[in-house]
Amino acid sequence: GENVEQHPSTLSVQEGDSAVIKCTYSDSASNYFPWYKQELGKRPQLIIDIRSNVGEKKDQRIAVTLNKTAKHFSLHITETQPEDSAVYFCAASPYNTNAGKSTFGDGTTLTVKP
Amino acid sequence: DAGVTQSPTHLIKTRGQQVTLRCSPKSGHDTVSWYQQALGQGPQFIFQYYEEEERQRGNFPDRFSGHQFPNYSSELNVNALLLGDSALYLCASSRDGYGYTFGSGTRLTVV
Repeated sequence: GENVEQHPSTLSVQEGDSAVIKCTYSDSASNYFPWYKQELGKRPQLIIDIRSNVGEKKDQRIAVTLNKTAKHFSLHITETQPEDSAVYFCAASPYNTNAGKSTFGDGTTLTVKP
Repeated sequence: DAGVTQSPTHLIKTRGQQVTLRCSPKSGHDTVSWYQQALGQGPQFIFQYYEEEERQRGNFPDRFSGHQFPNYSSELNVNALLLGDSALYLCASSRDGYGYTFGSGTRLTVV
């Protein structure tokens, strides 16, 4: 089955700096890669996702890059703010009807210091 | 527009008991997945329902079972509860299998 590794497990940055979280996956059949933000005691919220037919996607301060050959994808947050502090999870899913079977990484706790 | 709703929010059960958790998907969504999230870990896929059938299943024992109703709502049943079943149980729904929306979860404590 799919295996997703996420690094680093914790990340601390100064407000205004950039943060990068990296994930690798094992199953070449995976073609959908969502990222979730989970604040303490709250539900995971989808913040950005990418499908394997594109290499990069950007949404304001958040961007995701995908390298299918190397089987890794990354989340980039620019101009970080204290409210970006949360646990971030990457996930990988196979295509079509199996897309719901997302395999999650173990999460990265991001702390943005004011 | 209501999102994904789960009930109950918290539950305490004794070892060996059975529990049923409920999920109403977001309006317009027809696919429901269930996840178990232990403290400090990422969600682990339990199973997915579409058109009232279990379509995918993760590495969970048969003690974990589910159901999807014609209105797309879903239930997760766990029999013979173990201490290790204590976790946050998350329901996520989608319309086309992408971009899942999660509910707030049910915190299950087994004592």
